[in-house]
Amino acid sequence: DADVTQTPRNRITKTGKRIMLECSQTKGHDRMYWYRQDPGLGLRLIYYSFDVKDINKGEISDGYSVSRQAQAKFSLSLESAIPNQTALYFCATSEGTPTDTQYFGPGTRLTVL
Amino acid sequence: EDQVTQSPEALRLQEGESSSLNCSYTVSGLRGLFWYRQDPGKGPEFLFTLYSAGEEKEKERLKATLTKKESFLHITAPKPEDSATYLCAVQAGGSYIPTFGRGTSLIVHP
Repeated sequence: DADVTQTPRNRITKTGKRIMLECSQTKGHDRMYWYRQDPGLGLRLIYYSFDVKDINKGEISDGYSVSRQAQAKFSLSLESAIPNQTALYFCATSEGTPTDTQYFGPGTRLTVL
Repeated sequence: EDQVTQSPEALRLQEGESSSLNCSYTVSGLRGLFWYRQDPGKGPEFLFTLYSAGEEKEKERLKATLTKKESFLHITAPKPEDSATYLCAVQAGGSYIPTFGRGTSLIVHP
């Protein structure tokens, strides 16, 4: 089984709808991250969490919120989806020390019409 | 501000034609430099972590090297299955978050 899983894998929705993307991990890592990837722009950090009680904004957090339900679960919500949030979304985990090598999930392809 | 620049943006090789990808960086005190491979529509897959200038790591046809200003990913005698986007990321000593480059898209033709 994969160490980092994401659901759903694909989602098409309409402008204004609320969407939740879920991430689960079995690696036992404390640190979890949400990124979005757009062609030509690379990976951009949305939110990150270093433990259950710690939530931090990344470089592009506007329009997104997160919830860390447990060490193994980190969810990303789009409260009111808009078309420019169409992208590939990745969840990642890392152990923190001695290195922050990140392990990524398979991604969620989100299309907002 | 930490910066990571990868070059070239795209590279086309013939099978067996060795080449190198470049990742140049400016950070305050390097804590680690990471290489990832990403196949289309999939999540990045970890390849290597390098910590200090002079360090080298190898995996099959790939070899990563590090200097104080850049890292190279050397691909020896590539095969079509090496086609992917290769991402570089760096983490500064005072940062909790790696900074990613935009990647190099590699296509190896049979």
